[in-house]
Amino acid sequence: GAVVSQHPSWVICKSGTSVKIECRSLDFQATTMFWYRQFPKQSLMLMATSNEGSKATYEQGVEKDKFLINHASLTLSTLTVTSAHPEDSSFYICSVWTGGDNEQFFGPGTRLTVL
Amino acid sequence: EDQVTQSPEALRLQEGESSSLNCSYTVSGLRGLFWYRQDPGKGPEFLFTLYSAGEEKEKERLKATLTKKESFLHITAPKPEDSATYLCAVGGSNYKLTFGKGTLLTVNP
Repeated sequence: GAVVSQHPSWVICKSGTSVKIECRSLDFQATTMFWYRQFPKQSLMLMATSNEGSKATYEQGVEKDKFLINHASLTLSTLTVTSAHPEDSSFYICSVWTGGDNEQFFGPGTRLTVL
Repeated sequence: EDQVTQSPEALRLQEGESSSLNCSYTVSGLRGLFWYRQDPGKGPEFLFTLYSAGEEKEKERLKATLTKKESFLHITAPKPEDSATYLCAVGGSNYKLTFGKGTLLTVNP
């Protein structure tokens, strides 16, 4: 599998500010990464597919201007939550797709709290 | 639209008491049925991938099986450290994963 890290582990910010979350693939060159959001006691919901060197593909209902994704290298994808509001508070998790058989390997997640 | 339903939502077992978790699914073009373990405040940890009906995979006290409509995660003689949320997901024709809500397993010593 792939080893994936995220930074920061948790972040608290004021309403209206922007927050950047990093997702790093430590031992695999990932052309494709995914970003998920998970609310308490809910399932993981796919937000977007991050493709190295091209624009991200967003799921229906996810605002692409609010959740900016940049996949500038084979080891790093970033998610920026712009003008965050309390309803954006959630657990954000990224994953790396190693190709072929659909297996995804997940990062440890980032807890975002917007006050 | 791909769908995954897991049951029960929560399961409490005594140490050593074997049981099974269920994952029912509908998917167009199955490209894998996945089981993950998720501890509180952590990302999902990969356990198994199953691809075709009749397939079985084992890891320590866990065994996953697959039919055309559902998958089971059997837990034999569980220990307290097996306590976690177990997530089931299906990979569809678009290579994306659709997750169920999970089963919260608690194993009491």
